[in-house]
Amino acid sequence: QVQLQQSGAELARPGASVKMSCKASGYTFTSYTMHWVKQRPGQGLEWIGYINPSSGYTNYNQKFKDKATLTADKSSSTAYMQLSSLTSEDTAVYYCAREVRRAMDYWGQGTSVTVSS
Amino acid sequence: QIVLTQSPAIMSASPGEKVTMTCSASSSVSYMHWYQQKSGTSPKRWIYDTSKLASGVPARFSGSGSGTSYSLTISSMEAEDAATYYCQQWSSNPPTFGAGTKLELK
Repeated sequence: QVQLQQSGAELARPGASVKMSCKASGYTFTSYTMHWVKQRPGQGLEWIGYINPSSGYTNYNQKFKDKATLTADKSSSTAYMQLSSLTSEDTAVYYCAREVRRAMDYWGQGTSVTVSS
Repeated sequence: QIVLTQSPAIMSASPGEKVTMTCSASSSVSYMHWYQQKSGTSPKRWIYDTSKLASGVPARFSGSGSGTSYSLTISSMEAEDAATYYCQQWSSNPPTFGAGTKLELK
């Protein structure tokens, strides 16, 4: 069965960076685009961007262009997202989600990021 | 970018009651997807391509719409349906989500 297993919660200082992972299993990793979505506490969903694991092509929401960097490792079927120059506005749960026909059909369990001094 | 406006923001329904929530797009879109999210869990794809039910979704759910107006309907509310529902489009970049409709059990 398809599973997206995300890395654990992060506590980071303002100005620092964090890198989280999303390990895919149960399907061919390179056949599906992987998206990342942000959800602040008590708020809705915000699209960050996606990566094509086969080609490495990325597409970002303009809002996150200088904040997030998406990469993928085909050998381990793992997608990564690095967030830089963290502020309190980055405190959120971040989800990876597999795309099929412009919808997100499987989601990871989320990685909680807390930015605090 | 296309803005999706969901209404109402919060609603409550009694068991057996019919429920309808809407998603209005700022520009015409070709289809709409819906996700269900329960507190503390990941969103789940619920309805895709406007009206297709995802695997495991009860038949009491339905989706419809076109252009700028879409809706999700529950024919008969059940306790397990209490959740927040988000609409999502990707007819044009970037993909966008609505702010959600929180459905509570009365």
